Amino acid sequence: KAGVTQTPRYLIKTRGQQVTLSCSPISGHRSVSWYQQTPGQGLQFLFEYFSETQRNKGNFPGRFSGRQFSNSRSEMNVSTLELGDSALYLCASSLAAGGGEQYFGPGTRLTVT
Amino acid sequence: GQNIDQPTEMTATEGAIVQINCTYQTSGFNGLFWYQQHAGEAPTFLSYNVLDGLEEKGRFSSFLSRSKGYSYLLLKELQMKDSASYLCAASIDKLIFGTGTRLQVFP
Repeated sequence: KAGVTQTPRYLIKTRGQQVTLSCSPISGHRSVSWYQQTPGQGLQFLFEYFSETQRNKGNFPGRFSGRQFSNSRSEMNVSTLELGDSALYLCASSLAAGGGEQYFGPGTRLTVT
Repeated sequence: GQNIDQPTEMTATEGAIVQINCTYQTSGFNGLFWYQQHAGEAPTFLSYNVLDGLEEKGRFSSFLSRSKGYSYLLLKELQMKDSASYLCAASIDKLIFGTGTRLQVFP
C-alpha cells in the first residue's frame, strides 16, 4: 500500500506571497491532519479534515487554511507569507478522525525569504 | 491548557538502556503515542498506550500512568540507528506533541 505523499517536497517563496501544499493520504484513509514543525516549537497542530469537513483547528492565524476533496486528498494554503512561516509542513492520514494512529508524509520544506 | 514536556536532548552508549520521560497535562485524554523521527524524515509510529502499565515491543517498551500524567519510552540494547528524535503525543481528539527528545547514541 502506498504511503502518504506530499508535494512539493521543497519550496522557496518570498514574503507576502501565498503557497499551496498538497497531501495524498493512504488509500482508504479519510482523515488528514496538518502540522507545522520548527526546531523550537516541535510539531504544532494546524487542522484536521475528515470527509471534506474541517473538524478541528489549532491556534494559527486565519492566513492558514485548508480543504479536503472527495477523494480525501487535502491542500493547505498559507497567504501573505511571513519569514516565521519557514518550517517543515507535515501531513498525516488516519482511518478515523480524532487523535488515532497517524501515518505521516515526508513533509514539504517551506523557506520564506 | 494542554502541555506536554519531555527532555530536549539525551545521549547514550551503544548497547546501553535509555529511558525518555514525558509528562502531560491535558483535558479529555485518550492515550499516549510515541513516534520516532530520523533527521530529514517523517515521524513513524512506535507505540500507543491507553491503559496504565508497560507495553513491550521488541527492544522498545512504553509505560503509561494516567493518574500521574506520565509516560516513558524505554530503549534497550541501543544501536547507532536509534539516534533520532523521539516524540510523545497526547491523544485528545487530536494529537498534541511535545517538542521531541533528540537522542544521540555513541559507539
